[in-house]
Amino acid sequence: DTGVSQDPRHKITKRGQNVTFRCDPISEHNRLYWYRQTLGQGPEFLTYFQNEAQLEKSRLLSDRFSAERPKGSFSTLEIQRTEQGDSAMYLCASSPQTGVANEKLFFGSGTQLSVL
Amino acid sequence: QKEVEQNSGPLSVPEGAIASLNCTYSDRGSQSFFWYRQYSGKSPELIMSIYSNGDKEDGRFTAQLNKASQYVSLLIRDSQPSDSATYLCAFAGYSSASKIIFGSGTRLSIRP
Repeated sequence: DTGVSQDPRHKITKRGQNVTFRCDPISEHNRLYWYRQTLGQGPEFLTYFQNEAQLEKSRLLSDRFSAERPKGSFSTLEIQRTEQGDSAMYLCASSPQTGVANEKLFFGSGTQLSVL
Repeated sequence: QKEVEQNSGPLSVPEGAIASLNCTYSDRGSQSFFWYRQYSGKSPELIMSIYSNGDKEDGRFTAQLNKASQYVSLLIRDSQPSDSATYLCAFAGYSSASKIIFGSGTRLSIRP
């Protein structure tokens, strides 16, 4: 068990550029979540997958954000035409549960995005 | 109305005392409730989960749930400096496919 891995750890980009983040969940986990966190706030839900199916995407998320989880393994989060307001820590988490109760999330270390 | 409401703090508690953290939620269909701890610069980690009304104890931690009042709390007994962190309340809805929503967190500081 190597834990949830996220890459890169830090990303600095210019406004208007596209960025892509990768998350590798714990191998046997079938549920994968993306959250965004800014200083002093809790993690804000972005989207989540059960295996390769994207079950829900936050209504607050613009069309510039897209996520994929091909083959139900790793996931990517892409932000197109980045804006300064996109600057945040992007957290990935995975969970082994498919049923109710005890949905323990295991978080990665996050990708810190800075948009200049 | 926010889905999860927490007092942002900071909450300052002397070492050895009981720290009490509170959370209210808006979704009456919620079935699963969690407390996560987040140290500065680190990712959240689960410390307690609770699903039924009443108290659940785990070491120095006690989670309390009142679904009728839509209220969940966390008590930390014999507070230690290592308990200084941000505590995040979270919940999942009725469905097994429910997303997990977090509150904004309460910053707890244990003073020696």
